[in-house]
Amino acid sequence: QVQLVEAGGGVVQPGRSLTLSCVASGFTFNRHGINWVRQAPGKGLEWVAGIWYDGSRTIYADSVQGRFTISRDDSKNTAYLQMNSLRADDTAVYYCARDISYGAFDHWGQGTTVTVSS
Amino acid sequence: QSALTQPHSVSGSPGQPVTISCTGTSSDVGYYNYVSWYQVHPGKAPKLMIYDVNKRPSGVPDRFSGSKSGNTASLTISGLQAEDEADYYCSSFAGSYIVFGTGTTVPV
Repeated sequence: QVQLVEAGGGVVQPGRSLTLSCVASGFTFNRHGINWVRQAPGKGLEWVAGIWYDGSRTIYADSVQGRFTISRDDSKNTAYLQMNSLRADDTAVYYCARDISYGAFDHWGQGTTVTVSS
Repeated sequence: QSALTQPHSVSGSPGQPVTISCTGTSSDVGYYNYVSWYQVHPGKAPKLMIYDVNKRPSGVPDRFSGSKSGNTASLTISGLQAEDEADYYCSSFAGSYIVFGTGTTVPV
């Protein structure tokens, strides 16, 4: 069955970096785009970044542009979200999700929590 | 990249229809036929209910349907059931980004 497992969350000080990973299984990884979506405590869903199925294109939310980088390693069935210059408002549960169409995410991981605090 | 506008809450009784609106702009909802809807239960990952405006993934009950007119998309639950109590979010592809709605709570 399709499975996505995020890892790498934790508590980090403002200004520091963190890299999240998303390990996929149960499907042909290089046939799907991967996106990261976050949900801050008590807030709604916020799309963060996406990478095309072939890695040819990446897109970012304005709120993370220039600070976050999404990438993928198809040999490891893994996607990554490198997060630099972290701020308190980056505190959230981060989900990775597989797409089946533009902006349509049919399978999600369980989420990993990132807390930015001094 | 402004969030799509949804009503904060939409109430309904079991068996009654409920419609949630999602208003964007001519750059997102109005331009692309790539509107999706997600159901979120507390502490759980979102579940895709509708994609590409009106397509239903396998396993989603047919009481859920989607539509779009101009810059506004809609999710309709034809006969509300207890298990439909959740938060619902719309999203739209907008070319160089994806944007979610503000979210709607549906109490049953």
